[in-house]
Amino acid sequence: DSGVTQTPKHLITATGQRVTLRCSPRSGDLSVYWYQQSLDQGLQFLIQYYNGEERAKGNILERFSAQQFPDLHSELNLSSLELGDSALYFCASSPRDYNTDTQYFGPGTRLTVL
Amino acid sequence: QKEVEQDPGPLSVPEGAIVSLNCTYSNSAFQYFMWYRQYSRKGPELLMYTYSSGNKEDGRFTAQVDKSSKYISLFIRDSQPSDSATYLCAMSDRSGGSNYKLTFGKGTLLTVNP
Repeated sequence: DSGVTQTPKHLITATGQRVTLRCSPRSGDLSVYWYQQSLDQGLQFLIQYYNGEERAKGNILERFSAQQFPDLHSELNLSSLELGDSALYFCASSPRDYNTDTQYFGPGTRLTVL
Repeated sequence: QKEVEQDPGPLSVPEGAIVSLNCTYSNSAFQYFMWYRQYSRKGPELLMYTYSSGNKEDGRFTAQVDKSSKYISLFIRDSQPSDSATYLCAMSDRSGGSNYKLTFGKGTLLTVNP
């Protein structure tokens, strides 16, 4: 158990809908990273927050957004969902703002868009 | 050309075999190299973390980095059925202070048969 929690574990929804994925980092970790994992693209970095501020963006679509709250939990919002958004979404956390820090991954949320 | 290339396998070996997993990369700015293990339906977990060229050993695992060839390897000695998982290489750099992300290979699926 990495100490990172993600809810829900599974999410099934329809095209055009909006969903929110939630992540609680390890105790004391200030950085939260979101990743998308699909069979064809592998694990892709989406976005990073550090202590409430956005720090880096990767291959994140404009339909997706995220935020980190004062209690350091983070939410990833996915809107106008398409079939191709079906994937595993992972959250990871690390103590600092450095990409060289060990990132601890949560168990993931499996999103299925029908 | 993708930044990180990893043979997806699958790779099937008998118990006790030595396993060699490899990644090549094109971005010479990568300085930090990691290997993650991902069991089915779980989040990735960090196995090995290296900075410089050379070898790093941890129990049955040895990570090798050859920056001149842009090639990294993970060796698993005396492989066990519990090593059956997908192994992901990951890399990062510190260029410009703005690139706070890990770039992953697509992963190699390993099965160790009893």
